[in-house]
Amino acid sequence: SAVISQKPSRDICQRGTSLTIQCQVDSQVTMMFWYRQQPGQSLTLIATANQGSEATYESGFVIDKFPISRPNLTFSTLTVSNMSPEDSSIYLCSVEEREGQDEQFFGPGTRLTVL
Amino acid sequence: GQSLEQPSEVTAVEGAIVQINCTYQTSGFYGLSWYQQHDGGAPTFLSYNALDGLEETGRFSSFLSRSDSYGYLLLQELQMKDSASYFCAVRGPRYQLIWGAGTKLIIKP
Repeated sequence: SAVISQKPSRDICQRGTSLTIQCQVDSQVTMMFWYRQQPGQSLTLIATANQGSEATYESGFVIDKFPISRPNLTFSTLTVSNMSPEDSSIYLCSVEEREGQDEQFFGPGTRLTVL
Repeated sequence: GQSLEQPSEVTAVEGAIVQINCTYQTSGFYGLSWYQQHDGGAPTFLSYNALDGLEETGRFSSFLSRSDSYGYLLLQELQMKDSASYFCAVRGPRYQLIWGAGTKLIIKP
């Protein structure tokens, strides 16, 4: 099973600034995803990170606010731009080792607080 | 569109059996997944049902009835470490996972 790390694990940021979250996988994977989760709430998919092409965003999420990079099959970044307190959340990276695999593996998450 | 319903909270006693239900509405069905998430942790995969019936993995079992758009997760011989949130999820039109709101399982000694 894939092992995923995220950096940073947590951060406290000022409104109006941007934060880039890194997701590193220990093996090449087909699919990478970025989620947002408020404490005690469900997971909301932000986008699917596609290797070599633009990410596929879910309704309510736009590239200007959440630019995503995926330069190769083991690494992706999510940037939270022009942050406001409403962006305070846990951001999770997940992967499927092959497309359509039953199981998604999750990174430990990045806890973001925006003041 | 897709939607899932599951109870927000379930309470059970250590050593007992508990069932967490999930009903779903989806335009195309590819299977029902279950994930466990402890407070402060990341979700971890428990099971996946694509066909009707019961799948057993140790103390955990998962059931699916496609005709009823219904599934459940059954946890037996409950242990305190099973206290967590449990999410059901289905695949959407782009094969992305769509998650239920989660069920918080509280286990009392």
